[in-house]
Amino acid sequence: GAVVSQHPSWVICKSGTSVKIECRSLDFQATTMFWYRQFPKQSLMLMATSNEGSKATYEQGVEKDKFLINHASLTLSTLTVTSAHPEDSSFYICSARDKSSGGETGYTFGSGTRLTVV
Amino acid sequence: KQEVTQIPAALSVPEGENLVLNCSFTDSAIYNLQWFRQDPGKGLTSLLLIQSSQREQTSGRLNASLDKSSGRSTLYIAASQPGDSATYLCAVRDTGRRALTFGSGTRLQVQP
Repeated sequence: GAVVSQHPSWVICKSGTSVKIECRSLDFQATTMFWYRQFPKQSLMLMATSNEGSKATYEQGVEKDKFLINHASLTLSTLTVTSAHPEDSSFYICSARDKSSGGETGYTFGSGTRLTVV
Repeated sequence: KQEVTQIPAALSVPEGENLVLNCSFTDSAIYNLQWFRQDPGKGLTSLLLIQSSQREQTSGRLNASLDKSSGRSTLYIAASQPGDSATYLCAVRDTGRRALTFGSGTRLQVQP
């Protein structure tokens, strides 16, 4: 089945620094990837839709200049948290769908990244 | 705006019991509904996907049903095992939208 690889699985950074999270589709091409955020004991909330070769689409309330998304190839999307603050500490997870498999398939998720800003 | 609700928020059962997790959604114009499992600090594992035209899907001890008109889905787990302990998430994909809207999940604990 479709596999989405996400790295790193966890990261600790200092306030004010930037952190990059990678999301790769390993055995399929993904023209669209989705980035979600999950705070403790809460559900996943969509942050943005990453589109290959074009600008990402951000959900209301998500700062595009703070959460930079780059989708430069059909298998890689990156999320960079710039000038990180403690309130950005969260679980970030990406997802994609393999459209080439035929029929209707659901979304596959990466393993997530636990970001802690100190 | 689609809203997804899951009841109960938490559930603890002894091993071997059959159980039902509930999911409701406010907008019935959905494309499909997907059930996921999430272990603590981990990503999501897809369990079952139900298209809007389908009534149910089965995989092993899991059975998911969908009543689109009433905005409800249930996940039935037969003969629960301690290894089933996890958070179960329901997510809907609305017609004309690509991203998913998630419920807040049901935390399941199966006692040995």
